[in-house]
Amino acid sequence: DGGITQSPKYLFRKEGQNVTLSCEQNLNHDAMYWYRQDPGQGLRLIYYSQIVNDFQKGDIAEGYSVSREKKESFPLTVTSAQKNPTAFYLCASRTQWGYTFGSGTRLTVV
Amino acid sequence: GQQVMQIPQYQHVQEGEDFTTYCNSSTTLSNIQWYKQRPGGHPVFLIQLVKSGEVKKQKRLTFQFGEAKKNSSLHITATQTTDVGTYFCAGPGTSYDKVIFGPGTSLSVIP
Repeated sequence: DGGITQSPKYLFRKEGQNVTLSCEQNLNHDAMYWYRQDPGQGLRLIYYSQIVNDFQKGDIAEGYSVSREKKESFPLTVTSAQKNPTAFYLCASRTQWGYTFGSGTRLTVV
Repeated sequence: GQQVMQIPQYQHVQEGEDFTTYCNSSTTLSNIQWYKQRPGGHPVFLIQLVKSGEVKKQKRLTFQFGEAKKNSSLHITATQTTDVGTYFCAGPGTSYDKVIFGPGTSLSVIP
């Protein structure tokens, strides 16, 4: 089945650590996105990429970094500069009809 | 900047009652999308509306796009416990490849 796979499902980070969230898609979509969702809140755009080797900052990019070396992969690194990283992170790809989301990664700072 | 708002933020209904959520944009939209997120899950695309005044139905769900293409609504007839979740609307942002999500309406259904 085609879709977006995010891993891990749950992730715990110590203060000062960088962590990388994986996002892989086999939908052959060009555009990919990372969103952050806080409890009871909507979706806020972190980064997005329209093609390989190109990406743009979204509304809340500070403290995050991404890469797009392959069409299928769009990993997100949460750096130690992100002061409040505990959240639900969603990766998505886009067609002309809408977004397809992965099942998300819940990141908790311990 | 461009804003997409939704009301109400929360809605609690008795099973079998109807439910409506409203979405309003500060700018005219070329299209509007609706998503459903079950508790603990991820958003799932429901529908996209493109035409002014468009009405689409999916079983008990009715979606409308306003004549001015600045507002939309989702109406659920005779709610069921399977309808529980948060419903988001989303419209194109200023950049063609981005969408702006509304804050969502969280629906609880009391059996």
